[in-house]
Amino acid sequence: QVTLKESGPVLVKPTETLTLTCTVSGFSLSNDRLGVSWIRQPPGKALEWLAHIFSTDEESYSTSLKNRLTISKDTSKSQVVLTMTNMDPVDTATYYCARLETTTIWGCDYWGQGTPVTVSS
Amino acid sequence: EIVLTQSPGTLSFSPGERATLSCRASQSVDRTYLAWYQQKPGQAPRLLIYGASSRATGIPDRFSGSGSGTDFTLTISGLEPEDFAVYYCQQYGSSPWTFGEGTEVLIK
Repeated sequence: QVTLKESGPVLVKPTETLTLTCTVSGFSLSNDRLGVSWIRQPPGKALEWLAHIFSTDEESYSTSLKNRLTISKDTSKSQVVLTMTNMDPVDTATYYCARLETTTIWGCDYWGQGTPVTVSS
Repeated sequence: EIVLTQSPGTLSFSPGERATLSCRASQSVDRTYLAWYQQKPGQAPRLLIYGASSRATGIPDRFSGSGSGTDFTLTISGLEPEDFAVYYCQQYGSSPWTFGEGTEVLIK
């Protein structure tokens, strides 16, 4: 059974760094057909793709947030970590991680439940 | 960056009607890399369509996708009560990957 679960702080202060962890089960982060993306959704707004990490450790980032984001993975722990620096109230959102199959599907076939993050002093 | 435009932002239908949702790209997208998602309130998105026209596992055949180049369409033939939701298209053909703004399908 494939699952993804996001974890991290619910509340962060402006200018702080956010660290989110996605813990996966039911598949391996070393599987060359699979990778993990982070997507966020501000309250009442659309989905926004943030970053992706491939099985090869190749990274891809949103152009507008590239300077603030770092994605990494620990295959032995089955975890993908996203850090976002210099948090601002506009970064308040639900953050999702999702599995992307990059061979036959090219779609996020499994998603975490999402973790809400509020940026406020 | 490829911009995906989903308009209108809201559509209203009666149950049983056919819904046609549009996704237009600012540049050509290889149809292999065009996906559609459904999202209901308080839930994570669910993959409906990948490769522009292939249904994901467990998706009813009333959902179909079509299109190529810059124009893609999601069709729901015979809306069921559980289909009233927000639908997003996403492209993976050119980095950065991008989502459309979504189309909300409301009950008339």
